[in-house]
Amino acid sequence: EAGVTQFPSHSVIEKGQTVTLRCDPISGHDNLYWYRRVMGKEIKFLLHFVKESKQDESGMPNNRFLAERTGGTYSTLKVQPAELEDSGVYFCASSQVRQGYGEQYFGPGTRLTVT
Amino acid sequence: ILNVEQSPQSLHVQEGDSTNFTCSFPSSNFYALHWYRWETAKSPEALFVMTLNGDEKKKGRISATLNTKEGYSYLYIKGSQPEDSATYLCAFIRGGGADGLTFGKGTHLIIQP
Repeated sequence: EAGVTQFPSHSVIEKGQTVTLRCDPISGHDNLYWYRRVMGKEIKFLLHFVKESKQDESGMPNNRFLAERTGGTYSTLKVQPAELEDSGVYFCASSQVRQGYGEQYFGPGTRLTVT
Repeated sequence: ILNVEQSPQSLHVQEGDSTNFTCSFPSSNFYALHWYRWETAKSPEALFVMTLNGDEKKKGRISATLNTKEGYSYLYIKGSQPEDSATYLCAFIRGGGADGLTFGKGTHLIIQP
């Protein structure tokens, strides 16, 4: 069974540019999560999809971040325009079970550097 | 605001020794606690999902306990091996339907041969 995949693995962009990160969850996992880790800080929750619906987007930092999951399969996270403080590692995770009982399977992350 | 605290921040252990570290979380409105093992440049890997007070889980040489009333969990590694070197993360889920994990900063474990 393939794990969670993320693309690209690393992205370097200039301040003001746009970047789109992609996440492919494990097949059959309805729950998809985005997290971010800024250097030196803990991993922080951004949002949660159940199929194509946003279940919880309380962690999204501001309206420069847009997440989509059309068709309930893969998801994209767009940052537009990027700012320096957006640099960090963006993780995607998926799970089959809701309500916190099921483990979340993480991808390797996309390292975003904004210069 | 939820605070998940992990201690120590880093730990150097001699190969063969046993070790343990702590995760503290809010004791009110508890739902679940997750432990993850994370090696740099790899995906965080789930170790345990714990939900019941007094729960104890084991996977090989690694085990964990949970005290939801006082808000802490311990992770134990018996007979540390170099491959145990990693950052160990705990993450809390509160009751109320939100499934997003609230992580601590992790304990960075280095096993010295």
